[in-house]
Amino acid sequence: NAGVTQTPKFRVLKTGQSMTLLCAQDMNHEYMYWYRQDPGMGLRLIHYSVGEGTTAKGEVPDGYNVSRLKKQNFLLGLESAAPSQTSVYFCASSRTLSGANVLTFGAGSRLTVL
Amino acid sequence: GEDVEQSLFLSVREGDSSVINCTYTDSSSTYLYWYKQEPGAGLQLLTYIFSNMDMKQDQRLTVLLNKKDKHLSLRIADTQTGDSAIYFCAESTHQKVTFGTGTKLQVIP
Repeated sequence: NAGVTQTPKFRVLKTGQSMTLLCAQDMNHEYMYWYRQDPGMGLRLIHYSVGEGTTAKGEVPDGYNVSRLKKQNFLLGLESAAPSQTSVYFCASSRTLSGANVLTFGAGSRLTVL
Repeated sequence: GEDVEQSLFLSVREGDSSVINCTYTDSSSTYLYWYKQEPGAGLQLLTYIFSNMDMKQDQRLTVLLNKKDKHLSLRIADTQTGDSAIYFCAESTHQKVTFGTGTKLQVIP
């Protein structure tokens, strides 16, 4: 059982280039999330989705776009990468457990923008 | 908006108890969580507590919640070197889950 799989694991971009991070989950979870992790700042929510075809902005959405065309996939796009987007990106999906929203995380994608 | 704060670093000796603290601002939080992140990995859920509870114990882990002061703590009894990691506090209101800055726990043998 794979859980949450992120691809690619590492990527180096030049300023202005575009790319897409793919997140896939095989647990039939309704909710999916993209976070970025930066030193001293914890995890900050970029965008999230509460179901196929729906997306919503999180805390730091600027410079990113997302799509959830299929329930199992959540894509994070950078149209014109900037050095400030150098970070480790985590995807998560969630299920409710007795009302609690329990997240399962991927292993992360490390992005460097030069 | 939601804000969750933690101290950045904690160092303890092996065998001692560790207490990691967290404060949050959203009074409508329904659940509060503790996650653990080991180097190079994603976060894994340790435990969670419903907002109308004061305490939850799970083996070596004890969670205390002071809803009036919006303060959450995680106590790890008999801390081991394998407990060295970053610990994140989080709160949820409906679908959104907001994480704190993380506390790096260093366990000295």
